[in-house]
Amino acid sequence: TQLLEQSPQFLSIQEGENLTVYCNSSSVFSSLQWYRQEPGEGPVLLVTVVTGGEVKKLKRLTFQFGDARKDSSLHITAAQPGDTGLYLCAGAEYSGAGSYQLTFGKGTKLSVIP
Amino acid sequence: DSGVTQTPKHLITATGQRVTLRCSPRSGDLSVYWYQQSLDQGLQFLIQYYNGEERAKGNILERFSAQQFPDLHSELNLSSLELGDSALYFCASSATPPPGPKQFFGPGTRLTVL
Repeated sequence: TQLLEQSPQFLSIQEGENLTVYCNSSSVFSSLQWYRQEPGEGPVLLVTVVTGGEVKKLKRLTFQFGDARKDSSLHITAAQPGDTGLYLCAGAEYSGAGSYQLTFGKGTKLSVIP
Repeated sequence: DSGVTQTPKHLITATGQRVTLRCSPRSGDLSVYWYQQSLDQGLQFLIQYYNGEERAKGNILERFSAQQFPDLHSELNLSSLELGDSALYFCASSATPPPGPKQFFGPGTRLTVL
């Protein structure tokens, strides 16, 4: 069974600070995704990274996929209260005929204090 | 709004009972995935259906079953409920062209077993 470890579990920071959260796997996935989940809602996909060493930017969010495709990081610059939420990473494995199975980490709960 | 709908939003029931959760995927999506989210286990994949057929199974208990109907909506049946089944249950749908999966999550059903 492939596992994804996320760290830290909890993070509370002041508005304007930078932060990085990590996602580490025991093995290789075909791609890795990051989601954000707000209370009472389902996870929303932020980004998919596929290639080892890939870096993707989404406004103040920067996502990196490790060279070996087993780890990833999410860096937020100048965090804002609207960034508050649960950040989940998920490893995708292709299971045939256009279907993928996702394995999720337990998430990092981020609180940005105004 | 992801376009995935789930009913009911909340469900409170007693141990030993049986419940049915319903999911309508986004228009045109053929794949439906069910997930369970609890505080200690995180988001766990249960089962996937593609165009009416079971495609993949995850950590789904034998007391749980699911199906996808010709109109593509899906139901998750939970029977002989135990206290530990209390959790958020999410449905996701996808139309997954490469290079990676893009699953759209519904708002979830919060199940409380008393």
